[in-house]
Amino acid sequence: DVKVTQSSRYLVKRTGEKVFLECVQDMDHENMFWYRQDPGLGLRLIYFSYDVKMKEKGDIPEGYSVSREKKERFSLILESASTNQTSMYLCASSRTGTDYNEQFFGPGTRLTVL
Amino acid sequence: QQQVKQSPQSLIVQKGGISIINCAYENTAFDYFPWYQQFPGKGPALLIAIRPDVSEKKEGRFTISFNKSAKQFSLHIMDSQPGDSATYFCAAATTNAGKSTFGDGTTLTVKP
Repeated sequence: DVKVTQSSRYLVKRTGEKVFLECVQDMDHENMFWYRQDPGLGLRLIYFSYDVKMKEKGDIPEGYSVSREKKERFSLILESASTNQTSMYLCASSRTGTDYNEQFFGPGTRLTVL
Repeated sequence: QQQVKQSPQSLIVQKGGISIINCAYENTAFDYFPWYQQFPGKGPALLIAIRPDVSEKKEGRFTISFNKSAKQFSLHIMDSQPGDSATYFCAAATTNAGKSTFGDGTTLTVKP
């Protein structure tokens, strides 16, 4: 059974703190993604990675960075958390190749920045 | 510039009715059009997907209709059930690019 896990379901941090969100997939997928989900705004792509140590900016990368040191793990970093980063964060992974477009999502981390 | 526009934002349907959610895209390079279903507290999961070489795909009560010339596609849920109550996202992708562009989502409520 394919699985994407995220380190925390709920997280509460203070403004200015450095925040790490961790994502692990066990499907040997090449691609990994970080999205944030806000009501009425759908899923917005923050960053994605095609391979270890590779990363590309998505639609809303400002205020975020990522790290992918191992194929199965993709971390999202908020260098200095702000209240406007309060959101649901979703990690996803997918395989590379013409027949493989399905993205597998984790359960999400609901981050509150006070 | 929003590349995938989804409507309506919310939808209420009686049990047994037909639910219809529409999406429109702009980029003609898109060649994969999935729909994802998300239940509260869960991540989205692939429901059904279509490629532009066919105009319709059916899986059980779920059907995607695809109109390439109009750059539109829609999800039809026949005989809607309360268990179908969820948020639905359409998406579009260019296969070689690897990533998908998502619509804003539709919250479907099926009343018993």
